[in-house]
Amino acid sequence: QSVLTQPPSVSGAPGQRVTISCTGSSSNIGAGYDVHWYQQLPGTAPKLLIYGNSNRPSGVPDRFSGSKSGTSASLAITGVQAEDEADYYCQSYDSSLSAWVFGGGTKLTVL
Amino acid sequence: QVQLVESGGGVVQPGRSLRLSCAASGFTFSTYDMHWVRQAPGKGLEWVAMIWSDGTNKYYADSVKGRFTISRDNSKNTLSLQMNSLRAEDTAVYYCARDVNSEGYFDYWGQGTLVTVSS
Repeated sequence: QSVLTQPPSVSGAPGQRVTISCTGSSSNIGAGYDVHWYQQLPGTAPKLLIYGNSNRPSGVPDRFSGSKSGTSASLAITGVQAEDEADYYCQSYDSSLSAWVFGGGTKLTVL
Repeated sequence: QVQLVESGGGVVQPGRSLRLSCAASGFTFSTYDMHWVRQAPGKGLEWVAMIWSDGTNKYYADSVKGRFTISRDNSKNTLSLQMNSLRAEDTAVYYCARDVNSEGYFDYWGQGTLVTVSS
């Protein structure tokens, strides 16, 4: 049971907009801690996709965007492409646990 | 370019110990906090431990507290994880990851090293 809750899977046809939610609580996202997102392609290490709720590192396509509100955050992929098929994880900090925490991960399938 | 290369993984019996290393290059290692994150086969990511840039403070997940010890040698640009009293549930790929300016997120990850705890 992950501290941050994500849907196990989402899917979308190429070109569609897909969103992945990340729900936390008052001790992590709701406490004001930033949310970060990672993309993990099959058989590879995770890669930073979004940091500080909505910022993209250099080299990340602008079809990826992030937002945060209250105790939740979302990752949106506008115009999903076949190469985006991967697992996506949200991450934050939890003050009650004094630990960095991840969501359980969401598998994106491009139809 | 930033590189993190883990080593030391392998097959170990329950109750035994193993030491992982992470060799860092391409950046000023001594100025960055570092983490270990693991991923059990077919499962999600789990944060394991964190150490401050100067090594003075260390933090652990409850699941490994008292059994694992994180350390670093800034003179050798190396991060380590000493794992004692290993259990089957510690079986995972272990990644070292760099923390960005103590902001609490990870901008570079190693390729990972697999630890299998089995009799």
